[in-house]
Amino acid sequence: NAGVTQTPKFQVLKTGQSMTLQCAQDMNHEYMSWYRQDPGMGLRLIHYSVGAGITDQGEVPNGYNVSRSTTEDFPLRLLSAAPSQTSVYFCASSYSHGDQPQHFGDGTRLSIL
Amino acid sequence: GENVEQHPSTLSVQEGDSAVIKCTYSDSASNYFPWYKQELGKRPQLIIDIRSNVGEKKDQRIAVTLNKTAKHFSLHITETQPEDSAVYFCAAPSRGGQGGKLIFGQGTELSVKP
Repeated sequence: NAGVTQTPKFQVLKTGQSMTLQCAQDMNHEYMSWYRQDPGMGLRLIHYSVGAGITDQGEVPNGYNVSRSTTEDFPLRLLSAAPSQTSVYFCASSYSHGDQPQHFGDGTRLSIL
Repeated sequence: GENVEQHPSTLSVQEGDSAVIKCTYSDSASNYFPWYKQELGKRPQLIIDIRSNVGEKKDQRIAVTLNKTAKHFSLHITETQPEDSAVYFCAAPSRGGQGGKLIFGQGTELSVKP
């Protein structure tokens, strides 16, 4: 099992550009989520999904879109990148909802100039 | 709204001492309380978790205690070692929307000095 795979690992964007961060898991997990990590702010939930076709907002959803067309994939889209979105992004998955151990990907380090 | 508060934000101990990190949560329906360890530049990894039907759980040098009445839970590390140096996060699920979502505390940077 590869676990949770995130691509790319690093990315630099210019303000206003769009981008999709990819996340895939091969553990047949129903629950997937996206977090951003900023210094001193911990891990803040952006969006999450409890199954294919079902998504919901987390704590900081503005500026991000998600979709869940398959159980395996949960991409995160930035439609118009802003410097405030410079962060490290983690994708995570678990067997069900938020009350099971989360398996994290290695993260994507994103810089917006 | 849902909230998880974690203290302290930084903690420095001598090797061999104990370390305690505390978290409080706001959603009384929360029933699962994990702790994650994140080494520099790495992904967060689960080190221990506890469910609301028990008050304490232990795994070698680490333990977690839960007080549901007061809505707080704590991580205890005994006989600390330099490799315990990392950022530790607590979390709690919050019901709402399409299902439970996991909310994390702000993190505690633990430094163990040899």
